Amino acid sequence: EAGVTQFPSHSVIEKGQTVTLRCDPISGHDNLYWYRRVMGKEIKFLLHFVKESKQDESGMPNNRFLAERTGGTYSTLKVQPAELEDSGVYFCASSQRGQGGNNEQFFGPGTRLTVL
Amino acid sequence: AQTVTQSQPEMSVQEAETVTLSCTYDTSESDYYLFWYKQPPSRQMILVIRQEAYKQQNATENRFSVNFQKAAKSFSLKISDSQLGDAAMYFCAYSGQFGAGNMLTFGGGTRLMVKP
Repeated sequence: EAGVTQFPSHSVIEKGQTVTLRCDPISGHDNLYWYRRVMGKEIKFLLHFVKESKQDESGMPNNRFLAERTGGTYSTLKVQPAELEDSGVYFCASSQRGQGGNNEQFFGPGTRLTVL
Repeated sequence: AQTVTQSQPEMSVQEAETVTLSCTYDTSESDYYLFWYKQPPSRQMILVIRQEAYKQQNATENRFSVNFQKAAKSFSLKISDSQLGDAAMYFCAYSGQFGAGNMLTFGGGTRLMVKP
C-alpha cells in the first residue's frame, strides 16, 4: 500500500512568487492534515480536511494560504504571495475515517519550502 | 490550549545502551492521547508508540516503552538496547479525544544520536 506522498520534495522561490504544494493521502483515508515546521520551531497544525470539507483551519497563518482538497482525494496548499517567513517544511498526514484521537496519522516526507 | 515541551534538543546514547527522552505537556482535558513519532534523516515521520490517557498501564512496543505520569503530565520514552537505526528526530505529540479534529500538538523534538 502506498503511503502519503508529497510533491515537490523541495521548492525554492523568490519572495512574492506563488507556490503550490501537493499531498496525496493514503487511499481511503478521509482525514487529511497539513502541518508546518519553521526552522528551529515546533511542528504546527495548519488545517484539517474531512473528505473535501475543511473541518478546522484554525492554524492557517493568514489569507495568503489557500488549501483545497479536490473530490476528497489529493490536497493542494497554495501560498500566494510567498514571504520569507513562510520558509519551512510542510508536512501532510492522513488518517482513516472517524475522529477518534487514537486514529494514527500517517505522514508524508514533507516539502521543504525556501523563500528567498 | 495544549502545549508539549521536550526539554532535550539533543541526546546521545551508546549502541546497546538505554536512553530516556523527556516530554511534558499541559492540558485541561481528562481524556487524550499521547504519541511518540520518529523521523529518521531524510525519511518520513512514523509512529513509534501511543498512550491513551485513561489507561494506567504504560504502553510498550518491543524495545520502546513509555513512562506515563498523568498527574505530573509527563510522558517519557525509553529506548532499550539502542541500535544505530534508532538515530532520528523524536517528536512527542498530544491529541485530544474530542474536538479540534484530533490535530496533533507537537513538542520541539529531540535529536537522538547513537554511537557505535
